[in-house]
Amino acid sequence: QKEVEQNSGPLSVPEGAIASLNCTYSDRGSQSFFWYRQYSGKSPELIMSIYSNGDKEDGRFTAQLNKASQYVSLLIRDSQPSDSATYLCAVRTGFQKLVFGTGTRLLVSP
Amino acid sequence: DTEVTQTPKHLVMGMTNKKSLKCEQHMGHRAMYWYKQKAKKPPELMFVYSYEKLSINESVPSRFSPECPNSSLLNLHLHALQPEDSALYLCASSQGGGNQPQHFGDGTRLSIL
Repeated sequence: QKEVEQNSGPLSVPEGAIASLNCTYSDRGSQSFFWYRQYSGKSPELIMSIYSNGDKEDGRFTAQLNKASQYVSLLIRDSQPSDSATYLCAVRTGFQKLVFGTGTRLLVSP
Repeated sequence: DTEVTQTPKHLVMGMTNKKSLKCEQHMGHRAMYWYKQKAKKPPELMFVYSYEKLSINESVPSRFSPECPNSSLLNLHLHALQPEDSALYLCASSQGGGNQPQHFGDGTRLSIL
């Protein structure tokens, strides 16, 4: 079983819709969770970090964490074509070790 | 532009060359990282420096040699690389604690001839 799993997509949504990206992880002791956005040919850019169960909102982005289910999600409201990118879920599995999922490619059509 | 600066942005080298990748941050972060990313794959951790000491080496071949001259600088020395080492090399930094997010530089795209 992979440590961090994501659906590779692509996830296609129309402009203005809500995009829902999901991630599961295997290490029950994980405490820190991050979402990164990566445009093609560019480096990962931090979008959200979440450490406690529940929701965390930042602008159009909401991260959701459920440690009992070992599940993290990212919601993007009012999706824009500029949101089209690969979204990487990252989980801290050791003191400084970050493990990335394979990423979900999001396509937002005008 | 990011607050983690990597040079060069692109590098083409032969298998017998020696070159170095450089990374610099001025955010006062005490942990710095090297990752390797192949096309359509996630970043893979190579090395972690914490307070200028090597804390994690993910069994990386010795043809990759990291160096941390001070808390703001991180180098990756390359020697006798193989074509399969062609990839995007990413540097990241964090404040130090494991809970702190890592911030990435723009990367160096390396091609081995």
